[in-house]
Amino acid sequence: TQLLEQSPQFLSIQEGENLTVYCNSSSVFSSLQWYRQEPGEGPVLLVTVVTGGEVKKLKRLTFQFGDARKDSSLHITAAQPGDTGLYLCAGEGYQLIWGAGTKLIIKP
Amino acid sequence: NAGVMQNPRHLVRRRGQEARLRCSPMKGHSHVYWYRQLPEEGLKFMVYLQKENIIDESGMPKERFSAEFPKEGPSILRIQQVVRGDSAAYFCASSYVQTSGELFFGEGSRLTVL
Repeated sequence: TQLLEQSPQFLSIQEGENLTVYCNSSSVFSSLQWYRQEPGEGPVLLVTVVTGGEVKKLKRLTFQFGDARKDSSLHITAAQPGDTGLYLCAGEGYQLIWGAGTKLIIKP
Repeated sequence: NAGVMQNPRHLVRRRGQEARLRCSPMKGHSHVYWYRQLPEEGLKFMVYLQKENIIDESGMPKERFSAEFPKEGPSILRIQQVVRGDSAAYFCASSYVQTSGELFFGEGSRLTVL
């Protein structure tokens, strides 16, 4: 059974700091998606990574897919309160194996 | 959330009642997916439908749960004889073609069973 483990489960930092959250698996994924979910809302797709070693940037967010396509990371530079939310990674087609998420709080 | 409409946003039912959750996909999308999310957990796939067809219902409990996506109208997730364990947020997503994982989600329907 494919599983995605996300760490840390919870992170609270001050505005302006940098942070990295992780999505790990013992299985190979053909692609991974990162979503952000705010309270009371549905997940919103941030990025898809497909190629081992791929790096994608979305403003202050940098996403990396591991060379072996078993793990991914999300790095946020100079975090802002608007980055607060639940960050979820998911993989493998519409059935989407989901991680449990990292709950991120950025304090002003 | 890119135009996927779900209603009701909140639904309260007593044990044994029926819950019906509706999902209108984005315009032009003919593929609909339902997921369930428990508090502090990720989403779990339930069912994948195209117009008038259930493509994959492997994630949906075989009893009490059913889903449809008629030729006209929204997709409906129906839960009969609800129990407290059915309390969760139910999300619908849609795509233009069978997705590789990139989905547009609705805002969810939150079911509370008393």
